[in-house]
Amino acid sequence: EPEVTQTPSHQVTQMGQEVILRCVPISNHLYFYWYRQILGQKVEFLVSFYNNEISEKSEIFDDQFSVERPDGSNFTLKIRSTKLEDSAMYFCASSDPLSGPVAPQHFGDGTRLSIL
Amino acid sequence: QKEVEQDPGPLSVPEGAIVSLNCTYSNSAFQYFMWYRQYSRKGPELLMYTYSSGNKEDGRFTAQVDKSSKYISLFIRDSQPSDSATYLCAIPQGGLTFGKGTHLIIQP
Repeated sequence: EPEVTQTPSHQVTQMGQEVILRCVPISNHLYFYWYRQILGQKVEFLVSFYNNEISEKSEIFDDQFSVERPDGSNFTLKIRSTKLEDSAMYFCASSDPLSGPVAPQHFGDGTRLSIL
Repeated sequence: QKEVEQDPGPLSVPEGAIVSLNCTYSNSAFQYFMWYRQYSRKGPELLMYTYSSGNKEDGRFTAQVDKSSKYISLFIRDSQPSDSATYLCAIPQGGLTFGKGTHLIIQP
């Protein structure tokens, strides 16, 4: 069964550094998402992306965040100047809008981001 | 006011028991309700979704929505140790808005 893959599984970065998290969505999916989960808290929506532009974003997704689909297979989340509070698990997801009234979002297994 | 609320548990039951997991939601305009399962160190995976009120059954799992009380439930029959996971309810708002999840432990 096709799956969403994320790399790396664990990223350790110094505070203030830029970090790029990478995702390969399921190949025929058209919507892409990033979520984060701070330890012990709920999974929170960050951003959705469709047709090469952001379709929706949350209050969390401020100017330090950006997303990009640099080629036909990858989807990235960049955090420009990391803060300690950015430490979390980041999940990528994708969906096929043609799969029904509620297109199931398929999640990767996440990248654990640790800011030192 | 939080959009979706869940009791985080943990909820521990013996193998074979019927499990009831519950969420409440705040906005009566919500129409679709989803249940995701998340194993440790894994991403959430969709179990099932329901539209509006009523029941939906898929094997050992039944999802139920009571719009009058803004209450959604997931029932697991004949629970197995492999059902041990965190169960998240979600609504399609802002991408997906998740509850905090209920940690379920099925004791062999």
